[in-house]
Amino acid sequence: SQQGEEDPQALSIQEGENATMNCSYKTSINNLQWYRQNSGRGLVHLILIRSNEREKHSGRLRVTLDTSKKSSSLLITASRAADTASYFCATPLGNDYKLSFGAGTTVTVRA
Amino acid sequence: NAGVTQTPKFQVLKTGQSMTLQCAQDMNHNSMYWYRQDPGMGLRLIYYSASEGTTDKGEVPNGYNVSRLNKREFSLRLESAAPSQTSVYFCASSVTGNTIYFGEGSWLTVV
Repeated sequence: SQQGEEDPQALSIQEGENATMNCSYKTSINNLQWYRQNSGRGLVHLILIRSNEREKHSGRLRVTLDTSKKSSSLLITASRAADTASYFCATPLGNDYKLSFGAGTTVTVRA
Repeated sequence: NAGVTQTPKFQVLKTGQSMTLQCAQDMNHNSMYWYRQDPGMGLRLIYYSASEGTTDKGEVPNGYNVSRLNKREFSLRLESAAPSQTSVYFCASSVTGNTIYFGEGSWLTVV
């Protein structure tokens, strides 16, 4: 069964606004990753946050991890049309060889 | 540097036919994976190979077989295709425990 679940399922924002999406997971993890998928393409890795980290930044991306609540959030600041994509959180499934992906959050950035 | 290359990109099969999806990576990664993506389901792991010479079942292995031909190549075979196997298939690879790199996907329709 899938480990992580993203919320909301879909998000529509105006260019320049911030987009926030959340991921909840079921079991203890040692890291959590976020991926982006543009329509018709493969997934691309965005950021990895380890269980001993609470927050991590990469460009306009900010990821938080709360292991006590088994949840993570991804914030995209000052969104652009190119940020239109689906975003997935991924957590280890049993061991580090396998990742479990949620169903994703579809983000639409309106010009 | 091509990354992860999978073929074919598109395929239509009749129920009961067999086919093999090919995947190769040029990043010298130990681990390779096959996922399927269905609407609203996110990605589900079919099979993975932690290292050359080993393969293991993922979340949804029924109806599939895999071969880790060498370190570079990991193929997925459908012996007797069923309409329920209509999906987008993604091959991926990683240095174990780290970022997963995905191919561009193979769209398979079983009629």
